[in-house]
Amino acid sequence: NAGVMQNPRHLVRRRGQEARLRCSPMKGHSHVYWYRQLPEEGLKFMVYLQKENIIDESGMPKERFSAEFPKEGPSILRIQQVVRGDSAAYFCASSRQGGRRNNEQFFGPGTRLTVL
Amino acid sequence: SQQGEEDPQALSIQEGENATMNCSYKTSINNLQWYRQNSGRGLVHLILIRSNEREKHSGRLRVTLDTSKKSSSLLITASRAADTASYFCATIQGAQKLVFGQGTRLTINP
Repeated sequence: NAGVMQNPRHLVRRRGQEARLRCSPMKGHSHVYWYRQLPEEGLKFMVYLQKENIIDESGMPKERFSAEFPKEGPSILRIQQVVRGDSAAYFCASSRQGGRRNNEQFFGPGTRLTVL
Repeated sequence: SQQGEEDPQALSIQEGENATMNCSYKTSINNLQWYRQNSGRGLVHLILIRSNEREKHSGRLRVTLDTSKKSSSLLITASRAADTASYFCATIQGAQKLVFGQGTRLTINP
């Protein structure tokens, strides 16, 4: 029973390029969350998605960042025209259900993005 | 400001000693969760305590919750080198958004 899968584990981009981060939730999970962690800090919520729907994107920067969770395939976090400040670890989590306050989120290993 | 503030920010103890980490939060909660993160890795869920619970145990972990003081503590007894990690408390806001504190970096010295 595989856990949350993220790829790539490490991603290096030059300023101005695009970064695509992928997340496959655990089997049977239809809710996905993306978090960003800067060095020496805690995780900060970015976006919460269900299949084909964005439920809460209150933590997403207004520009250059987008996320999707299509009917088929993994969830994608896309960062256009990356800047050095985007360098961070990006974690995906999934849960079986949403809207229930005691529902556990399971985290993937993260993608470490480095912008040169 | 960030919900869930842990203290201390860093803690270094000898193997076999007990480690206590504290967390404070600002808004009302339904539950509070503790996670562990080993260096360069993802988060591992340790324990969830509901707002109507005062104490919960899981192996060598003991979590307390004081909703009147809006605080929680995580106690690791008989620490081991493998317990070296960062520990985060988290609360849920809105429809499942986890809000994390800055974390406590725990180092267990052999």
